[in-house]
Amino acid sequence: GAGVSQTPSNKVTEKGKYVELRCDPISGHTALYWYRQSLGQGPEFLIYFQGTGAADDSGLPNDRFFAVRPEGSVSTLKIQRTERGDSAVYLCASSPTPWAGVGNEQFFGPGTRLTVL
Amino acid sequence: DAKTTQPPSMDCAEGRAANLPCNHSTISGNEYVYWYRQIHSQGPQYIIHGLKNNETNEMASLIITEDRKSSTLILPHATLRDTAVYYCIVRASGGGADGLTFGKGTHLIIQP
Repeated sequence: GAGVSQTPSNKVTEKGKYVELRCDPISGHTALYWYRQSLGQGPEFLIYFQGTGAADDSGLPNDRFFAVRPEGSVSTLKIQRTERGDSAVYLCASSPTPWAGVGNEQFFGPGTRLTVL
Repeated sequence: DAKTTQPPSMDCAEGRAANLPCNHSTISGNEYVYWYRQIHSQGPQYIIHGLKNNETNEMASLIITEDRKSSTLILPHATLRDTAVYYCIVRASGGGADGLTFGKGTHLIIQP
């Protein structure tokens, strides 16, 4: 079946602009995660949704970052007033449930590479 | 979640077993050990996870020491396509689970 998809695959924007990054999780997965990965580093957790609600947004770096998942499926990560430091690969993952244990691996999408000039 | 320590890089000859160590000396009783890998320009991919017992699947084996303070991921017959960054992650089970905490991982290079 289809995996996690993310669009666009690449996004170049100018400092100060607003961007939206989209994630389509695997159908039926209730948990959805956003991560950010800078060059040479492991992915860094940003936010996770259980259904439509953000169950944990402790990883969002500041109030310029916001994410929604209005119908419990597709999610959009929104970044206002982008800064050069926001340049990174933004990864989305989904899992059948948010709990660790049997059958609960996270399935990652290919990421969106964001470049802020 | 407990912190993990991994060597930054390792080499392995193609066809040989690749053994990737991970130290998690502060692991708690309800924490699982997960392994993911990330091939260049792709998202991370789940490999295997375990709690106490050794585990094996079609990709790898996971050996967890009896005191659970360290583990080893074994790729039995490494191929060039196994070149990737491998992440060892400790994660609690139960309610209130948050995202995965990735370190820098081990960059495994399979040599032809």
